[in-house]
Amino acid sequence: GDSVTQMEGPVTLSEEAFLTINCTYTATGYPSLFWYVQYPGEGLQLLLKATKADDKGSNKGFEATYRKETTSFHLEKGSVQVSDSAVYFCALTRRGEKLTFGTGTRLTIIP
Amino acid sequence: NAGVTQTPKFQVLKTGQSMTLQCAQDMNHNSMYWYRQDPGMGLRLIYYSASEGTTDKGEVPNGYNVSRLNKREFSLRLESAAPSQTSVYFCASSEPVYEQYFGPGTRLTVT
Repeated sequence: GDSVTQMEGPVTLSEEAFLTINCTYTATGYPSLFWYVQYPGEGLQLLLKATKADDKGSNKGFEATYRKETTSFHLEKGSVQVSDSAVYFCALTRRGEKLTFGTGTRLTIIP
Repeated sequence: NAGVTQTPKFQVLKTGQSMTLQCAQDMNHNSMYWYRQDPGMGLRLIYYSASEGTTDKGEVPNGYNVSRLNKREFSLRLESAAPSQTSVYFCASSEPVYEQYFGPGTRLTVT
């Protein structure tokens, strides 16, 4: 079945540091890929998405590129802020409905 | 627009008690979902409804029932709560292929 593996957390960085959170997937066909973010005490919000190979999703300074050859969708940001502290989830869907999530990566940014 | 709303926000039950978690969306979406979130497990799909009048089991349906009351509302019922059902429950809605919108969650503790 489909699965998503993402970087174990927690991750702690200093403000303005470079961020990478790794995500790899297993799925047949051509899934759509997503990054969701969960701020403390809230539900999940879509951060960015990519629907086909070599697409780059971007939002709020975050980027991720759909790499079919390595089955990866790593999340990056060039300069993180304290307000980026949250839990980040990588997810995929093959049929446009049910999402398969990774286990989440907790990110803490210290001033 | 309120988006996706859930009630209650918090609930404590004793083993064997029953309760219903309510979810409503005002975005006219056809699809609705119930997930549970547990530490280190990410989000797991309990049940989903692709359209009004239909429901299907997800990854972890045992111990739960659902009702798609109308297009707006999708409820989750625990008939006889068990400590293993202590979790945070999220409702979501979407149109197929597009992003899922999540509610703020219900934190349930079963003692």
